[in-house]
Amino acid sequence: GNSVTQMEGPVTLSEEAFLTINCTYTATGYPSLFWYVQYPGEGLQLLLKATKADDKGSNKGFEATYRKETTSFHLEKGSVQVSDSAVYFCALRGNSGGSNYKLTFGKGTLLTVNP
Amino acid sequence: DTAVSQTPKYLVTQMGNDKSIKCEQNLGHDTMYWYKQDSKKFLKIMFSYNNKELIINETVPNRFSPKSPDKAHLNLHINSLELGDSAVYFCASSQPGSTGELFFGEGSRLTVL
Repeated sequence: GNSVTQMEGPVTLSEEAFLTINCTYTATGYPSLFWYVQYPGEGLQLLLKATKADDKGSNKGFEATYRKETTSFHLEKGSVQVSDSAVYFCALRGNSGGSNYKLTFGKGTLLTVNP
Repeated sequence: DTAVSQTPKYLVTQMGNDKSIKCEQNLGHDTMYWYKQDSKKFLKIMFSYNNKELIINETVPNRFSPKSPDKAHLNLHINSLELGDSAVYFCASSQPGSTGELFFGEGSRLTVL
């Protein structure tokens, strides 16, 4: 079945530091890949996505590139802010049969950014 | 105008009770989901309905019973609540054939005492 493995946290950074959260996946075919963010006390919201190999998703200064050769979708940001403190989830959606209907999530990575 | 809304947001109850959580989406999506998030933030899908039909039913105790009266609503009823049911339950919706983005509600925090 499909699975997502992401870097375990927590991750603590100072403001303006560089962020990388690693994510690798196992899936058949060509899944779509996502990063979701969950701010404290809120639901998840889509941060960025990529639907085919070599696509780069980007939003709010965050980027991730769909690398089929390494089955990875690492999240990066050049300069984090205190407001980026949240839990980040990597996820994939399969592209065959019933797997089309569900997202499989990684375990989440808690990021804390200190001023 | 909340796209996916769940009620109640907080629920505190005793073991053995029965409770329900309601979810409504105004996005016109055909597919709705229930996810459970435990204390370590791990998200696990429980159920999914597509146009009122159950399409995903992960390994969930049969004390949990979803019901979709129409494609804009997906409710979750839980019988005989146990301590281990304490979690945040998230409703979500998506449109099949799109890129698969899920839109989440704000969650319903269930605490079983």
